[in-house]
Order: sequence, then C-alpha cells, then structure tokens
Amino acid sequence: EAGVAQSPRYKIIEKRQSVAFWCNPISGHATLYWYQQILGQGPKLLIQFQNNGVVDDSQLPKDRFSAERLKGVDSTLKIQPAKLEDSAVYLCASSLRGGYPLLETQYFGPGTRLLVL
Amino acid sequence: KQEVTQIPAALSVPEGENLVLNCSFTDSAIYNLQWFRQDPGKGLTSLLLIQSSQREQTSGRLNASLDKSSGRSTLYIAASQPGDSATYLCAGTNSGYALNFGKGTSLLVTP
Repeated sequence: EAGVAQSPRYKIIEKRQSVAFWCNPISGHATLYWYQQILGQGPKLLIQFQNNGVVDDSQLPKDRFSAERLKGVDSTLKIQPAKLEDSAVYLCASSLRGGYPLLETQYFGPGTRLLVL
Repeated sequence: KQEVTQIPAALSVPEGENLVLNCSFTDSAIYNLQWFRQDPGKGLTSLLLIQSSQREQTSGRLNASLDKSSGRSTLYIAASQPGDSATYLCAGTNSGYALNFGKGTSLLVTP
C-alpha cells in the first residue's frame, strides 16, 4: 500500500513570497489533515478535510494560509505572503474515515521542510 | 484544550536496557491516546493507539498504558536497540477531531 505522498520535500523562500505544498493521501482515505511542526515542538493541526469539505480549520491563519482538497483526493496548502515564523515542517496525514470522535490511526507523509529567509 | 506534556525531553540509554517514556495530559475526558515515532527528516509513524475504554496496548517490544484518572500514559520499550533511536511523541484526542501532541522525547540508544 502506497503511503502519503508530499512535495516538494524542501523549499527555501524569502519573506513575503508565496509557496504551495501538495499532498496525495492514501487511496480510499476520506480524511486529510495538514499539520505544522515548528522545530522542537509537536505537530499542530492546521486544517482537516472530510472528503472535500472542511471539518476543522480553527488553527489556520486564514489571513495568509489557504488550503483546498479538490475532488476529495489531493490537497494543496498555500502560504501568501510568508513570514519568518512560518519556517517549519508541514506534514500531511490521512485516515480512513476520520469522524467524531477520532478513534483511528492517522498515517503521515514525510513532510515539506520550509525555510523562510 | 487538551495539554500534553512529555518527560524527559531527551534520554540516552545503553543498548539492552528497558525504558519508560512518560506522557501526561490535562483533560481526563480523553477519547484516545496515540504514540508515534519520528525519525529525523521523516514523518510520523503510529506505534500504538489506546482507546479510552482500554488500559494498554502491546506491539512487539512496545507496551503503552493509559490511566485516565491520573492523566498519564507510559510507553515501555523492552530490550532497547540502537534502531529504536528516534523522537517519540504522544498525542491525545478529547475534543473529537484534533490530535494534541506533546513536544516529544528524543531517545538515543547507544551500542
């Protein structure tokens, strides 16, 4: 079974530039998550999709971050404009059903490491 | 919001030792608690998931316990190996959707 795919693996940009990350979840997984992991911290949930609808985006900085999941499969996360404090690893994860409450395992991709200069 | 704390932040042990990693959480109304492993430059790998109705889960040399009343979970690693070196993260769900992660324990097992 193929895992969660993410690209690019690394990205270096200057502040105020824009950047986009792509995620392809495990085939058949209804729920997709984007996390931000700052160095030395645990991952923080940014947004959760169930199929192509948003379930939770309460911690997404909506003035600069946006995300979409077209056709309930792939997803993109965009930052525009980027700030220095956005330097982090952006992790995508998927789970089979998601749902409330969350009772199942999430499978994580390798992440995209972003450095904002 | 569920707050998760992991102690110690870092741990170094010689190969073959049995060890315990600790995780504490603030809200006992927890739905599940998961333990993950993270290798440098890689994503997270789920190790064990304990639902609120369970007290422990085992997988190979790993055993995780959950004590909701005291707000604690432990991950026990038996007969540690250098390949166990990684960062171990615990995460709890009590609001229903989000996993709330601790900062992790960085483990080094020396030959």
